[in-house]
Amino acid sequence: NAGVTQTPKFRILKIGQSMTLQCTQDMNHNYMYWYRQDPGMGLKLIYYSVGAGITDKGEVPNGYNVSRSTTEDFPLRLELAAPSQTSVYFCASSPRVYGDTGELFFGEGSRLTVL
Amino acid sequence: AQKITQTQPGMFVQEKEAVTLDCTYDTSDQSYGLFWYKQPSSGEMIFLIYQGSYDEQNATEGRYSLNFQKARKSANLVISASQLGDSAMYFCAMREGRDFGNEKLTFGTGTRLTIIP
Repeated sequence: NAGVTQTPKFRILKIGQSMTLQCTQDMNHNYMYWYRQDPGMGLKLIYYSVGAGITDKGEVPNGYNVSRSTTEDFPLRLELAAPSQTSVYFCASSPRVYGDTGELFFGEGSRLTVL
Repeated sequence: AQKITQTQPGMFVQEKEAVTLDCTYDTSDQSYGLFWYKQPSSGEMIFLIYQGSYDEQNATEGRYSLNFQKARKSANLVISASQLGDSAMYFCAMREGRDFGNEKLTFGTGTRLTIIP
């Protein structure tokens, strides 16, 4: 059981370039999330999705876009990379069924550097 | 105001001793959940323990327990008999509200725990 898989694990971008961070989960979870973690800081929510076709903004959505065409996949798009987007990005999923705790299952993270 | 406050940036603890990591939270919701996650140097986020606001008993999971003091709005993590493998960053987090769709899990800035042999 792979859980939540993120690719790539590392990437260096030049300012203004675009890229997509891929995230896929095989647990049939309805809810998926993208967080970023800046050095020495906690995680901040970028976007989340409560099911295929439904996405919503989190705390820090500027500069990012998401889509959710299937239950399994939740890619994060950076259109015009900026140095402020240098961070570690975590994808997570949650079953969010009634009575559960809301625990998040995380991927291993993707370290992005924008130069 | 910060929703989750972890006031200990770093802690050093002797192996086999117990350790308490502090977490205070701020919410006006009656229904909320509190989480602790561990992040080892490899970077992944590992769920440790959960406490619901209506849970009357403190949560326990093996060597981990959550000292939940609702009136003080604190949710401290207690690790008993610490081991070298406990060296990691520890994050406290909160999910506010009961309604589905309110999914903003808020994280604190973390405490880096180092276990000394």
